[in-house]
Formats: sequence, structure tokens, C-alpha cells
Amino acid sequence: EDQVTQSPEALRLQEGESSSLNCSYTVSGLRGLFWYRQDPGKGPEFLFTLYSAGEEKEKERLKATLTKKESFLHITAPKPEDSATYLCAVQAGDDKIIFGKGTRLHILP
Amino acid sequence: DSGVTQTPKHLITATGQRVTLRCSPRSGDLSVYWYQQSLDQGLQFLIQYYNGEERAKGNILERFSAQQFPDLHSELNLSSLELGDSALYFCASSVDTRGRGYTFGSGTRLTVV
Repeated sequence: EDQVTQSPEALRLQEGESSSLNCSYTVSGLRGLFWYRQDPGKGPEFLFTLYSAGEEKEKERLKATLTKKESFLHITAPKPEDSATYLCAVQAGDDKIIFGKGTRLHILP
Repeated sequence: DSGVTQTPKHLITATGQRVTLRCSPRSGDLSVYWYQQSLDQGLQFLIQYYNGEERAKGNILERFSAQQFPDLHSELNLSSLELGDSALYFCASSVDTRGRGYTFGSGTRLTVV
């Protein structure tokens, strides 16, 4: 069964304290892995798409990496405005897109 | 503004009723996806349409149905509503079926009382 698991469920960091969020997946025929940011009561906002193992993408303080079994979202020197829920999703070979339950990130000033 | 428009933003209705949620995709996007998000389940994929045709189906209940019209807007119909159907319903659109440029709307909050 196609599955996406994100860890940790919640993470509290001090401003400037770098860390990584994990997304592990089992899927038949990975077509792409996506990272999103979601603020309370709003729709997810697209961050990155990764298509193959070894691929990396960066945007400001965020960097996403992909292996054959998992993806990491590295957050470098985070700021309070980076507080949000970060969602990982995979697209399987049958085109279904499956989301993990997310990591709630809280950056303390 | 993401370019994906969902209406209405809020909907309150009684158990047993039927409602229709509407989604207009971003200009140029041919794929539309519907999701349900509740506090304990996260984002659950319901169904995908591509250029008017059903492309993929997720955990969509038989009481729910959807369609995509020739102008590419989509509607999600929810019938015989139950308290447990209360959730945020999101629509997303993309250029093709690979999810490239996958963009979400701001959602419809459905409350069943």
C-alpha cells in the first residue's frame, strides 16, 4: 500500500536553530515528491518538487533532498515566520497523490 | 491569490442535506484535484480530473461525486451529509497529470450540524 510518513509530528526550535524534517515513503512507481507549507486555515503553498534520488532543491532557508526511500526538508537558521505545518506528498505511478500528516513547526523568537 | 478559486468559503448545513462545492482552476491548468482535510486525518485525496475525464480516484465515499465541465471548472457534490463530513475541502490544479505547478485554492470549510 502506498504510504507517506512524516516525522516528527511537531517540532519547536529556537530562532536560528537549524533542523531537518523527514518524509519517508513507500510507493509504486514514484513520479514525484512534493513539499508544501500550510498556514492555519489556508491552502497548502507549493515549495518544491523532486523527481529522482539525489536531486536537491533550495529556496531561501529551505533545502529539500530526496533518496529512494525518504526526503528531508532542511531548515537553516529559521525565523519565526517559518512557523507552519510542512506537508510532504508523493505521486504514485497511477497518478494518485498521497499526503503525509505533516510536521507542525514552531520557531520561538 | 493562487489563481485557484473555490466557492463558497464557508458552508453550514444540516445532516442529510446535499451541497455542491465549486472550483475554478488556474488559467491554463487542465487537471483538477479534490481533497478533504480534517484535524485527525490530514489531507485525503478524493478524486482527480484531467481535461474533463476522471483520472484517479482516492478515498471518495459513494455519497460524494464530482465532475469537470468543458470550461474546466469542477464541482464536488456531497450528499446525505453526516456530522463526520465536516472538514476543509480543498481543490488544486496543475498543468498536466504529473502535478507540475500544483496549486491549491483557499478551501471551503463545511460544517454539518
